[in-house]
Amino acid sequence: GIQVEQSPPDLILQEGANSTLRCNFSDSVNNLQWFHQNPWGQLINLFYIPSGTKQNGRLSATTVATERYSLLYISSSQTTDSGVYFCAVERRYGGSQGNLIFGKGTKLSVKP
Amino acid sequence: EAGVTQFPSHSVIEKGQTVTLRCDPISGHDNLYWYRRVMGKEIKFLLHFVKESKQDESGMPNNRFLAERTGGTYSTLKVQPAELEDSGVYFCASSQARYVGYEQYFGPGTRLTVT
Repeated sequence: GIQVEQSPPDLILQEGANSTLRCNFSDSVNNLQWFHQNPWGQLINLFYIPSGTKQNGRLSATTVATERYSLLYISSSQTTDSGVYFCAVERRYGGSQGNLIFGKGTKLSVKP
Repeated sequence: EAGVTQFPSHSVIEKGQTVTLRCDPISGHDNLYWYRRVMGKEIKFLLHFVKESKQDESGMPNNRFLAERTGGTYSTLKVQPAELEDSGVYFCASSQARYVGYEQYFGPGTRLTVT
Protein backbone atom coordinates (compact mmCIF):
# COMPACT_ATOMS: atom_id res chain seq x y z
CA GLY A 1 0.00 0.00 0.00
CA ILE A 2 0.90 3.65 -0.12
CA GLN A 3 3.50 4.85 2.41
CA VAL A 4 3.32 8.24 4.10
CA GLU A 5 6.46 9.44 5.84
CA GLN A 6 6.72 12.60 7.88
CA SER A 7 9.82 14.37 9.04
CA PRO A 8 11.12 15.30 11.46
CA PRO A 9 9.36 13.10 14.03
CA ASP A 10 10.03 15.63 16.78
CA LEU A 11 10.75 19.33 16.66
CA ILE A 12 11.45 21.78 19.45
CA LEU A 13 11.32 25.48 18.66
CA GLN A 14 11.71 28.72 20.49
CA GLU A 15 8.71 31.00 20.22
CA GLY A 16 9.02 33.19 17.15
CA ALA A 17 11.05 30.72 15.11
CA ASN A 18 10.05 29.38 11.70
CA SER A 19 9.82 25.71 10.74
CA THR A 20 9.19 23.40 7.82
CA LEU A 21 7.51 20.02 8.14
CA ARG A 22 7.74 17.50 5.34
CA CYS A 23 5.46 14.73 4.10
CA ASN A 24 6.61 12.22 1.49
CA PHE A 25 4.23 9.75 -0.11
CA SER A 26 4.99 6.77 -2.26
CA ASP A 27 2.22 6.82 -4.88
CA SER A 28 -0.20 9.06 -6.74
CA VAL A 29 -2.90 10.64 -4.60
CA ASN A 30 -6.32 12.21 -5.07
CA ASN A 31 -6.24 14.13 -1.84
CA LEU A 32 -3.72 15.41 0.67
CA GLN A 33 -4.63 17.09 3.93
CA TRP A 34 -2.65 18.57 6.84
CA PHE A 35 -4.00 18.43 10.38
CA HIS A 36 -3.00 19.71 13.79
CA GLN A 37 -3.84 17.59 16.81
CA ASN A 38 -3.90 19.89 19.79
CA PRO A 39 -2.99 18.87 23.36
CA TRP A 40 -6.65 18.07 24.04
CA GLY A 41 -6.64 15.47 21.27
CA GLN A 42 -8.82 17.41 18.85
CA LEU A 43 -7.93 17.15 15.16
CA ILE A 44 -7.98 20.49 13.39
CA ASN A 45 -8.14 20.71 9.59
CA LEU A 46 -5.32 22.95 8.35
CA PHE A 47 -5.15 22.49 4.61
CA TYR A 48 -6.75 20.49 1.82
CA ILE A 49 -3.94 20.61 -0.72
CA PRO A 50 -3.62 17.82 -3.31
CA SER A 51 -1.44 20.17 -5.35
CA GLY A 52 -0.23 23.75 -5.39
CA THR A 53 0.28 26.27 -2.60
CA LYS A 54 -2.07 27.70 0.01
CA GLN A 55 -1.63 30.15 2.85
CA ASN A 56 -3.65 30.76 5.97
CA GLY A 57 -2.18 33.35 8.30
CA ARG A 58 1.15 32.18 9.65
CA LEU A 59 0.75 28.77 8.04
CA SER A 60 1.28 27.83 4.43
CA ALA A 61 1.54 24.55 2.54
CA THR A 62 2.88 23.39 -0.77
CA THR A 63 2.30 20.06 -2.48
CA VAL A 64 4.34 18.93 -5.47
CA ALA A 65 2.28 15.97 -6.56
CA THR A 66 4.62 14.95 -9.40
CA GLU A 67 7.47 14.60 -6.91
CA ARG A 68 5.25 13.12 -4.20
CA TYR A 69 5.86 15.46 -1.32
CA SER A 70 4.20 18.22 0.62
CA LEU A 71 5.61 20.87 2.95
CA LEU A 72 3.95 22.70 5.81
CA TYR A 73 5.51 26.02 6.81
CA ILE A 74 4.95 27.59 10.20
CA SER A 75 6.22 31.12 10.61
CA SER A 76 6.65 33.08 13.83
CA SER A 77 5.69 30.05 15.89
CA GLN A 78 3.61 30.46 19.05
CA THR A 79 3.17 28.17 22.05
CA THR A 80 -0.35 27.42 20.84
CA ASP A 81 1.18 25.80 17.74
CA SER A 82 2.40 22.92 19.91
CA GLY A 83 0.93 19.50 19.23
CA VAL A 84 1.21 16.84 16.57
CA TYR A 85 0.97 17.67 12.88
CA PHE A 86 -0.36 14.95 10.61
CA CYS A 87 -0.23 14.58 6.88
CA ALA A 88 -2.85 12.29 5.31
CA VAL A 89 -3.36 11.15 1.75
CA GLU A 90 -6.02 9.36 -0.25
CA ARG A 91 -4.54 6.97 -2.77
CA ARG A 92 -5.51 7.41 -6.40
CA TYR A 93 -5.29 3.81 -7.45
CA GLY A 94 -6.05 0.50 -5.83
CA GLY A 95 -8.64 -0.51 -3.30
CA SER A 96 -10.14 1.37 -0.37
CA GLN A 97 -10.29 4.67 -2.21
CA GLY A 98 -11.87 7.37 -0.14
CA ASN A 99 -10.18 6.70 3.16
CA LEU A 100 -7.21 8.74 4.33
CA ILE A 101 -3.85 7.20 5.18
CA PHE A 102 -2.02 9.11 7.86
CA GLY A 103 1.66 9.57 8.52
CA LYS A 104 3.03 9.08 12.01
CA GLY A 105 3.08 12.80 12.61
CA THR A 106 5.56 15.46 13.66
CA LYS A 107 5.41 16.38 17.32
CA LEU A 108 6.07 20.10 17.68
CA SER A 109 6.90 21.76 20.98
CA VAL A 110 7.16 25.55 21.02
CA LYS A 111 8.92 26.95 24.09
CA PRO A 112 8.15 30.44 25.41
CA GLU B 1 -22.98 25.62 8.87
CA ALA B 2 -22.35 23.27 11.77
CA GLY B 3 -19.28 21.08 11.60
CA VAL B 4 -18.96 17.40 12.37
CA THR B 5 -20.00 16.73 15.95
CA GLN B 6 -19.20 13.79 18.16
CA PHE B 7 -20.62 12.60 21.45
CA PRO B 8 -19.43 12.06 24.10
CA SER B 9 -16.21 14.04 24.13
CA HIS B 10 -14.74 11.68 26.70
CA SER B 11 -15.80 8.28 28.00
CA VAL B 12 -14.26 6.23 30.78
CA ILE B 13 -15.44 2.64 31.08
CA GLU B 14 -14.24 -0.59 32.61
CA LYS B 15 -12.94 -3.51 30.63
CA GLY B 16 -15.83 -5.68 29.49
CA GLN B 17 -18.38 -2.89 29.39
CA THR B 18 -20.09 -1.51 26.30
CA VAL B 19 -19.70 1.98 24.90
CA THR B 20 -21.50 3.66 22.00
CA LEU B 21 -19.97 6.63 20.24
CA ARG B 22 -22.05 8.94 18.09
CA CYS B 23 -21.15 11.06 15.10
CA ASP B 24 -23.27 13.67 13.35
CA PRO B 25 -21.77 14.59 9.97
CA ILE B 26 -22.13 17.90 8.20
CA SER B 27 -25.64 18.14 6.81
CA GLY B 28 -25.83 16.84 3.26
CA HIS B 29 -22.58 14.88 3.42
CA ASP B 30 -23.15 11.38 2.08
CA ASN B 31 -19.71 10.06 3.05
CA LEU B 32 -18.97 9.32 6.68
CA TYR B 33 -15.72 7.87 7.98
CA TRP B 34 -14.52 6.54 11.32
CA TYR B 35 -10.84 6.67 12.32
CA ARG B 36 -8.99 6.14 15.58
CA ARG B 37 -5.64 6.87 17.17
CA VAL B 38 -4.60 4.41 19.84
CA MET B 39 -1.54 4.21 22.09
CA GLY B 40 0.08 7.30 20.53
CA LYS B 41 0.30 5.59 17.16
CA GLU B 42 -0.76 6.97 13.81
CA ILE B 43 -4.40 7.58 13.01
CA LYS B 44 -5.97 4.57 11.33
CA PHE B 45 -9.03 4.23 9.13
CA LEU B 46 -11.84 2.05 10.49
CA LEU B 47 -14.70 2.24 8.01
CA HIS B 48 -16.52 4.31 5.40
CA PHE B 49 -20.25 4.78 4.87
CA VAL B 50 -21.85 6.11 1.73
CA LYS B 51 -25.26 7.16 2.94
CA GLU B 52 -26.46 4.16 4.97
CA SER B 53 -24.29 1.56 3.19
CA LYS B 54 -20.91 0.36 4.36
CA GLN B 55 -18.57 1.12 1.47
CA ASP B 56 -15.41 -0.14 3.13
CA GLU B 57 -14.97 -1.69 6.56
CA SER B 58 -11.51 -3.12 6.01
CA GLY B 59 -10.10 -1.20 8.96
CA MET B 60 -12.41 -2.56 11.63
CA PRO B 61 -10.13 -4.39 14.07
CA ASN B 62 -12.47 -7.22 15.09
CA ASN B 63 -16.09 -8.18 15.63
CA ARG B 64 -16.27 -6.33 18.94
CA PHE B 65 -16.78 -3.18 16.89
CA LEU B 66 -20.14 -2.49 15.22
CA ALA B 67 -20.92 0.62 13.20
CA GLU B 68 -24.30 1.70 11.97
CA ARG B 69 -25.71 4.61 10.03
CA THR B 70 -29.45 4.27 9.99
CA GLY B 71 -31.19 6.53 7.49
CA GLY B 72 -27.91 7.83 6.18
CA THR B 73 -27.64 10.60 8.76
CA TYR B 74 -25.81 10.14 12.05
CA SER B 75 -23.64 7.13 12.80
CA THR B 76 -22.88 5.12 15.89
CA LEU B 77 -19.85 3.01 16.71
CA LYS B 78 -20.38 0.44 19.43
CA VAL B 79 -17.57 -1.38 21.20
CA GLN B 80 -18.74 -4.51 23.01
CA PRO B 81 -17.05 -5.73 25.13
CA ALA B 82 -14.37 -3.06 25.47
CA GLU B 83 -10.76 -4.10 25.99
CA LEU B 84 -7.82 -2.10 27.35
CA GLU B 85 -6.26 -1.78 23.89
CA ASP B 86 -9.36 0.02 22.62
CA SER B 87 -8.34 3.14 24.55
CA GLY B 88 -7.61 6.07 22.29
CA VAL B 89 -9.26 8.87 20.38
CA TYR B 90 -12.00 8.01 17.89
CA PHE B 91 -12.57 10.47 15.08
CA CYS B 92 -15.42 10.83 12.67
CA ALA B 93 -15.17 12.65 9.36
CA SER B 94 -17.52 13.47 6.52
CA SER B 95 -17.26 14.61 2.93
CA GLN B 96 -19.88 15.72 0.49
CA ALA B 97 -19.10 14.28 -2.86
CA ARG B 98 -19.99 11.04 -4.54
CA TYR B 99 -16.50 10.83 -5.96
CA VAL B 100 -13.16 10.44 -4.32
CA GLY B 101 -10.66 13.21 -3.80
CA TYR B 102 -12.75 15.61 -1.76
CA GLU B 103 -11.81 17.19 1.54
CA GLN B 104 -12.77 15.30 4.67
CA TYR B 105 -13.94 17.36 7.62
CA PHE B 106 -13.09 15.89 11.00
CA GLY B 107 -14.96 16.08 14.25
CA PRO B 108 -13.26 16.86 17.57
CA GLY B 109 -13.04 13.18 18.50
CA THR B 110 -14.16 11.04 21.41
CA ARG B 111 -11.46 10.10 23.90
CA LEU B 112 -12.16 6.58 25.12
CA THR B 113 -10.41 5.29 28.21
CA VAL B 114 -10.86 1.63 29.14
CA THR B 115 -9.67 0.77 32.66
